[in-house]
Amino acid sequence: GESVGLHLPTLSVQEGDNSIINCAYSNSASDYFIWYKQESGKGPQFIIDIRSNMDKRQGQRVTVLLNKTVKHLSLQIAATQPGDSAVYFCAELNQAGTALIFGKGTTLSVSS
Amino acid sequence: SQTIHQWPATLVQPVGSPLSLECTVEGTSNPNLYWYRQAAGRGLQLLFYSVGIGQISSEVPQNLSASRPQDRQFILSSKKLLLSDSGFYLCAWSVRGEQFFGPGTRLTVL
Repeated sequence: GESVGLHLPTLSVQEGDNSIINCAYSNSASDYFIWYKQESGKGPQFIIDIRSNMDKRQGQRVTVLLNKTVKHLSLQIAATQPGDSAVYFCAELNQAGTALIFGKGTTLSVSS
Repeated sequence: SQTIHQWPATLVQPVGSPLSLECTVEGTSNPNLYWYRQAAGRGLQLLFYSVGIGQISSEVPQNLSASRPQDRQFILSSKKLLLSDSGFYLCAWSVRGEQFFGPGTRLTVL
């Protein structure tokens, strides 16, 4: 069945370091992926998305990489800041194109 | 610009009581609407989605139901709450795949 997962439940980095959060998906036909950031007590916030016809997309301090060969998605955050501390979810559009399937999330902790 | 509202923000209800959570979207027309539940420290579980007025698809069988009486209004209901219904309920909308989430409702069933 369709599923999206993350390799690590937690990631701790120092302020200023680069962070890489990974995600594996199972549906090779998926063509749209999103990364969300969720701060405690709030709803998820859109960070960046990517379609399957691309392997890389850059935003402000963030880069998403898509490797369709191994069905792997990653989020890179440059110069990580304390305000980046949150839970990060990858999500995959389902086969019907009607809903997103979310992974379990990685908690990023940034220390000063 | 588009905004999404959910209320109440927090709710404490006894087991067996009814539930009604409301979600409204402004600034867009004919959005897809979604209800998710998130247990503490867990990912998001899709409960219902709607592609139009009166059209509801249920992803997980349970004692919850959803309704869409208007284009930009989505309601989550229950006739009798269970302890296991506790969680953080999120409404979301989308037009072209990307989903935008509301602030959420924290429900505690005692």
